[in-house]
Amino acid sequence: AQSVAQPEDQVNVAEGNPLTVKCTYSVSGNPYLFWYVQYPNRGLQFLLKYITGDNLVKGSYGFEAEFNKSQTSFHLKKPSALVSDSALYFCAVRPYNTDKLIFGTGTRLQVFP
Amino acid sequence: GAVVSQHPSWVICKSGTSVKIECRSLDFQATTMFWYRQFPKQSLMLMATSNEGSKATYEQGVEKDKFLINHASLTLSTLTVTSAHPEDSSFYICSASRDRSPRVQYFGPGTRLLVL
Repeated sequence: AQSVAQPEDQVNVAEGNPLTVKCTYSVSGNPYLFWYVQYPNRGLQFLLKYITGDNLVKGSYGFEAEFNKSQTSFHLKKPSALVSDSALYFCAVRPYNTDKLIFGTGTRLQVFP
Repeated sequence: GAVVSQHPSWVICKSGTSVKIECRSLDFQATTMFWYRQFPKQSLMLMATSNEGSKATYEQGVEKDKFLINHASLTLSTLTVTSAHPEDSSFYICSASRDRSPRVQYFGPGTRLLVL
C-alpha cells in the first residue's frame, strides 16, 4: 500500500536553530512530493514541491527540502527557525499516475523564543 | 495568486438537516477540485475528486448519497452534507488544482461543521 510517514508527532526547536521535519514515503514509480503548512483553524498552505531535477528544493518562507531517492525521504529543513514557524506541517506524495495526494499524519513544529 | 475560498467558515446545524459548503477558486480556473475531511489531530482524508461538468469520483467508504458534490463551473464546487448526524461533525477542506502538471493543489481555509 502507498503511504507517507512522518515519524515525529512534534518537533521542538529553539528560535535561531536549524530545524528538520522528517518525511519518508512508500510509493511506486517516481512520485511528486510536497510540503504544506497548516496554522490553527486554517487550510493548508503550499510550501514547496519536488518534481524532478536538483534534489534540494527551495520554497516559501526560507524552507527547503531534500529529496533522497535511495532512502525514499523528503525532509523539510530551515537553517534558522522563527517562532512564527510554529505550526502543523504535512508531507504529501502524489503518485505519478494520479491526481490524488497521500498525506502524512503531520508534525507539529514548536519554536521556542 | 492561487487563492481558494470556502464558505461558510463554520456552521452549526441540527441533526437531520442538510448543509452546503462552497469552494471557490478566486483567481484561477480549477480543472479539478478535491474535498477532504480532517479529524482532530489527524491527517487529511480525501473524500472525492471532482472535475467541472462531470460526476465526482468518491473514495472508498465515502457515501455518495450523503456527501453530494457538484462542480458547476471552473471556479465553484459545492459539498452538501445531507441529513447530517453528529458523526459528520468535522473540518472539511477543499482544494483546487489549476496546472496541467504537476497540478499543485491549493487549499481553502476549511469549514468546521458541528452537528448537534
